Amino acid sequence: DGGITQSPKYLFRKEGQNVTLSCEQNLNHDAMYWYRQDPGQGLRLIYYSQIVNDFQKGDIAEGYSVSREKKESFPLTVTSAQKNPTAFYLCASSMAGGGRTEAFFGQGTRLTVV
Amino acid sequence: DQQVKQNSPSLSVQEGRISILNCDYTNSMFDYFLWYKKYPAEGPTFLISISSIKDKNEDGRFTVFLNKSAKHLSLHIVPSQPGDSAVYFCAASDKGGNTGKLIFGQGTTLQVKP
Repeated sequence: DGGITQSPKYLFRKEGQNVTLSCEQNLNHDAMYWYRQDPGQGLRLIYYSQIVNDFQKGDIAEGYSVSREKKESFPLTVTSAQKNPTAFYLCASSMAGGGRTEAFFGQGTRLTVV
Repeated sequence: DQQVKQNSPSLSVQEGRISILNCDYTNSMFDYFLWYKKYPAEGPTFLISISSIKDKNEDGRFTVFLNKSAKHLSLHIVPSQPGDSAVYFCAASDKGGNTGKLIFGQGTTLQVKP
């Protein structure tokens, strides 16, 4: 089945530690995205990538880093510089360009700082 | 600056009646709009979309209306069912879909009462 997979579903991090969230897709999509959801704030864009080896900052990139070494994979690292990392993180992918920009989402990773 | 706004955090309707969810946007460059449905602890799923060249798009019980002059769109669900209870996000695509980047509203929680 084609889809987008995030792992793990739940993640606990101690303060001061970096942690990496995995996102893999087999939809052959060029574009991939990371969003963060907080209560009452909707989905806010962290980073996005339109093509392998290229990515751009979204609205709230501070304290996060990404890589796009393969078309299928777009891991997100939450660094110790992120002041309030506890949130629900969503990865998405879409076809780039073409005007039809429906994005498909993974099931999310809930990160909790303990 | 919130470019996509859903001003009603919640909506409650009776089963069988119409649900109307509203969304406003400020960026006149947006030309593709989408609605997503989200259950707790899951990723959003795509519902319906509309291009700016149209003013209405219908898919079964779901209809999206676009009023470009007012920069307003709405999602109508008729008839509403208890399974429709979820958070609904409005999203807009900028730059004609060439980037595929989606900007989301804050979401509206719909409760359909049996």
